[in-house]
Order: sequence, then C-alpha cells, then structure tokens
Amino acid sequence: GAVVSQHPSWVICKSGTSVKIECRSLDFQATTMFWYRQFPKQSLMLMATSNEGSKATYEQGVEKDKFLINHASLTLSTLTVTSAHPEDSSFYICSARDYSGRPWPQHFGDGTRLSIL
Amino acid sequence: AQTVTQSQPEMSVQEAETVTLSCTYDTSESDYYLFWYKQPPSRQMILVIRQEAYKQQNATENRFSVNFQKAAKSFSLKISDSQLGDAAMYFCAYRGNLNRDDKIIFGKGTRLHILP
Repeated sequence: GAVVSQHPSWVICKSGTSVKIECRSLDFQATTMFWYRQFPKQSLMLMATSNEGSKATYEQGVEKDKFLINHASLTLSTLTVTSAHPEDSSFYICSARDYSGRPWPQHFGDGTRLSIL
Repeated sequence: AQTVTQSQPEMSVQEAETVTLSCTYDTSESDYYLFWYKQPPSRQMILVIRQEAYKQQNATENRFSVNFQKAAKSFSLKISDSQLGDAAMYFCAYRGNLNRDDKIIFGKGTRLHILP
C-alpha cells in the first residue's frame, strides 16, 4: 500500500537551532500534504496545508516564520522549525494525499518526536 | 466551522466484550466523510473505518462497525470481540468534500483500555 516516510523519527537539539523534518510519499505523487502537531495525550492539530509548487496555507495561530513549509516536489514536503525553543517540543506528523479524483485515502507518516533542550 | 466532539476521554472493556465509542460532529455541509482512526502507543495513525455521508448503510470492517446517524450528526464506533491489540487512542474525524484541500478535523480522542 501507499507509504509516507517521515524523517527523522526522533530529534533532540539545543534551543536556538533550526530543525528540518522531511515527509516523503514513496509510491505515489502527493499533490497535497498536511502537517500536524500533537501534544502528549492530546489530539492532532493541523498546522498547515501545502500544495506542490505553491505557498502553504497556515492555520490560525501558527507562526509562518517559525514553521517554514516547503513542498518543492510531488513527493517531498519539509517542515523547518526555526530557532527552536523548548515550547516547540512536540510530536509532528505529516500526511499526504494522492489526488487521483478521490478525496481519500490520506496517508500518515510515523511522526517525528522533537525535543528541544 | 466544523467541530468533532468525543465526550469519553477514557473507556475500558473486558477482553472479548463489545464496546461503543461515541462521537458527534457539527457541520453545515451535506457532503462529507467521517473516519475513525486508531493511534497505538507507537503513535502511528491507522485508519479503522470510513463512512461517506451520502451512504445510508453503516460501514463495517470485520470487528469494527459504525452507527451513522446523519440527522443527529452522530457517528459511533462499535468494536466487537475486543482484543488486547485494540488498546489505543481512538480519534473520530471529519472531512468535508467541497474541494481537494479539505482538511481532516480530529476529535480529542478516547483512550480505550482492554482488560484481560
């Protein structure tokens, strides 16, 4: 079946550094990708929607300059957390959809656990 | 705006028994999709079952079935013959069907414990 690969699965870094998370669709072309954030024991909150070749659409309250999203190809989207601080520590999940005339399925990556010291 | 509400933060069920997880939603759209996702401790998001709003028949997938009440905007999940591997966080989710970028909106989740 369709697979979405997310890398890295876990990253620990110092406060003030920037961290890039990659989301790849391995066997389909993902015209639309979604980035979610999940705090411990909470639900998934959508951060932004990205379409290949265009600017991402951010949800209200999400800082565009803090969370940079690039969807440069049909198989890769990246989320860069710039100047990360401890409050950015969270679980980040990407999701991709192959728009082949159907609005589903939507495939999820395995997530990235980000810990900022 | 659409909302999804799961009123049961946690539930427990004896192994081999049946359990029902509740979900209500609010929308002004007539065409949409509803989902139940399972998130085990590994934190993978696993699609359990999907229901198209235009279908009157309730979706079923092996031991999992839904009770979709469109007028009441209710979408409950029934798990029959509960197994230890069913222990997880379950999220009810909604997706509109107006355009291709329609996003999935998740409820807050219900943590399901299976008692041996």
